[in-house]
Amino acid sequence: NAGVTQTPKFRVLKTGQSMTLLCAQDMNHEYMYWYRQDPGMGLRLIHYSVGEGTTAKGEVPDGYNVSRLKKQNFLLGLESAAPSQTSVYFCASSYSREGHTEAFFGQGTRLTVV
Amino acid sequence: KNQVEQSPQSLIILEGKNCTLQCNYTVSPFSNLRWYKQDTGRGPVSLTIMTFSENTKSNGRYTATLDADTKQSSLHITASQLSDSASYICVVSAAGGFKTIFGAGTRLFVKA
Repeated sequence: NAGVTQTPKFRVLKTGQSMTLLCAQDMNHEYMYWYRQDPGMGLRLIHYSVGEGTTAKGEVPDGYNVSRLKKQNFLLGLESAAPSQTSVYFCASSYSREGHTEAFFGQGTRLTVV
Repeated sequence: KNQVEQSPQSLIILEGKNCTLQCNYTVSPFSNLRWYKQDTGRGPVSLTIMTFSENTKSNGRYTATLDADTKQSSLHITASQLSDSASYICVVSAAGGFKTIFGAGTRLFVKA
């Protein structure tokens, strides 16, 4: 049972490049989330999904897009990377709404934009 | 404004000693409060969750307390071990809507 798996673990991008972060969960959870974690700050919600085919904006959605074509996968896209998007990105999933049941996190993706 | 403040920012203790981490919040209306442990280079893992009616919850050597009146929580670690070295994050969720606020965490270093 792998839980939540993120790909890749590390990535360096040049400003203006695009990339997609993949999150996969094998717990049959309806809810999935993308967060970013920056030094000295708490995790901030970028986008989330309450089920297959649905997505919604979180606290800091600008510059990111997401898709949930399959229940087990949640993709985070950066169309034109900026240095301000240098961060550690975490994907999470939960059985029901965020905060009401335990969320399970992936191991993170460290992204550097130069 | 909904906020979660944790103190101290970092803490160094000797193996075998106890410690207490603090969390103050202004999230309203309150639904629940969770403590997470985050090892370096890993994602957070849930330790405890408390709702409005609960004032203490234990998970092994970890004991969380909640005072909903003063909007304060603490995480007490007993007989610390080297493996307790990690960041501890306080997370508060609001009732209704879709609002969860993460604290910045307390970085704990346990030394032999």
